Amino acid sequence: SYELTQPLSVSVAPGQTARITCERNNIGSKNVQWYQQKPGQAPVLVIYRDSRRPSGIPERISGSNSGNTATLTISRAQAGDEADYFCQVWDSTSHVFGTGTKVTVL
Amino acid sequence: QVQLQESGPGLLKSSETLSLTCSVSGGSFSSHYWTWIRQSPGKGLEWIGHIYYSGTTDYNPSLQSRVTISLDTSKKQFSLKVTSVTPADTAVYYCAAVTYYYYYMEVWGKGTTVTVSS
Repeated sequence: SYELTQPLSVSVAPGQTARITCERNNIGSKNVQWYQQKPGQAPVLVIYRDSRRPSGIPERISGSNSGNTATLTISRAQAGDEADYFCQVWDSTSHVFGTGTKVTVL
Repeated sequence: QVQLQESGPGLLKSSETLSLTCSVSGGSFSSHYWTWIRQSPGKGLEWIGHIYYSGTTDYNPSLQSRVTISLDTSKKQFSLKVTSVTPADTAVYYCAAVTYYYYYMEVWGKGTTVTVSS
């Protein structure tokens, strides 16, 4: 089965940069999406098609995808960025989600 | 902008059938795949399946034998049925609008909690 591996947790100091990876062989050939989920809430799309931001998502949230790794970057981290983040791809016949990363802003 | 709202019973017993409905406001039925996703307590997201307005469906192979997704365009609703539930089906169930062609979850409902007791 198609699996997407993310680190369990990432910690970042306020104002610094957090990077969350999503790994799978040749993921660069897929469109990757990223979702932010805060406790008790539904996920929210923050990046689609590797690097595009929906309206309302700040420019300090960015995405890239190449080779075997897709990356979500949160620049100038704020307390409001604390959440779980999931990557997602469409694998021709099924949606697959990453294992999820908890981002803590210390 | 599409808005989604799930509804249905929150408590079931093992072997019963789970039935949920998602009401759709705004948007066009032909521009999205109408999708169900679930999240077990403390776990990640699991795609259940989707339906296109033509009636075409795709399901997660691990659930396919127990799942049916249907669409009622006149009521602007789509529905999920999962038969023979067990406590492993306990989860928050989300409906979502997935963009046609690029396959990303553009809009999510707030989710509804379903608990299955043994």
